[in-house]
Amino acid sequence: DAGVIQSPRHEVTEMGQEVTLRCKPISGHDYLFWYRQTMMRGLELLIYFNNNVPIDDSGMPEDRFSAKMPNASFSTLKIQPSEPRDSAVYFCASSAQEWSTEAFFGQGTRLTVV
Amino acid sequence: GENVEQHPSTLSVQEGDSAVIKCTYSDSASNYFPWYKQELGKRPQLIIDIRSNVGEKKDQRIAVTLNKTAKHFSLHITETQPEDSAVYFCAASIRGRDDKIIFGKGTRLHILP
Repeated sequence: DAGVIQSPRHEVTEMGQEVTLRCKPISGHDYLFWYRQTMMRGLELLIYFNNNVPIDDSGMPEDRFSAKMPNASFSTLKIQPSEPRDSAVYFCASSAQEWSTEAFFGQGTRLTVV
Repeated sequence: GENVEQHPSTLSVQEGDSAVIKCTYSDSASNYFPWYKQELGKRPQLIIDIRSNVGEKKDQRIAVTLNKTAKHFSLHITETQPEDSAVYFCAASIRGRDDKIIFGKGTRLHILP
């Protein structure tokens, strides 16, 4: 397996534009997590899914953020409209239900909103 | 919900010395505590983890300790080397309940030559 795959790796967009980040989890993993990383706040959990169902979205900053997982192999995080304060690295991670498996992170998407 | 505090935010140690990073958690139901290392420009990767039924775990130069009563856990790195320079994150999770993983804010470790 190629691991967790995120796209794009880098995104530069203008304030007010819609941004869509994509994630392909490891095949067979039950959980998918979206995190946002900034210097000030570290790794913040935005939302996570179990078997494609959103379980906890309490970390989503505001209504401008939305996430979907239409099937077991694909998830999106959308920001509409984007703002400069959304600039951060967004990570997707996946893990399996069993105790022994770790959460594997994707390479991340570096988002810059100008 | 769970809250994980991590200290210090930055740590500098001489090569060969030991480094200790400390974390506390708020939810006594947390039962799984992973530690991740993130090198510059890379993704976080698991380096060691500990479950709540264990007080200590070692893997070569790294060890983790857990004090459930005090809700503290720590990462110890001995005989530090230049390649240990990175950001380290502690985390807590309640496996078997909600399974979400909450991270501390990270510790930037600098190994000085």
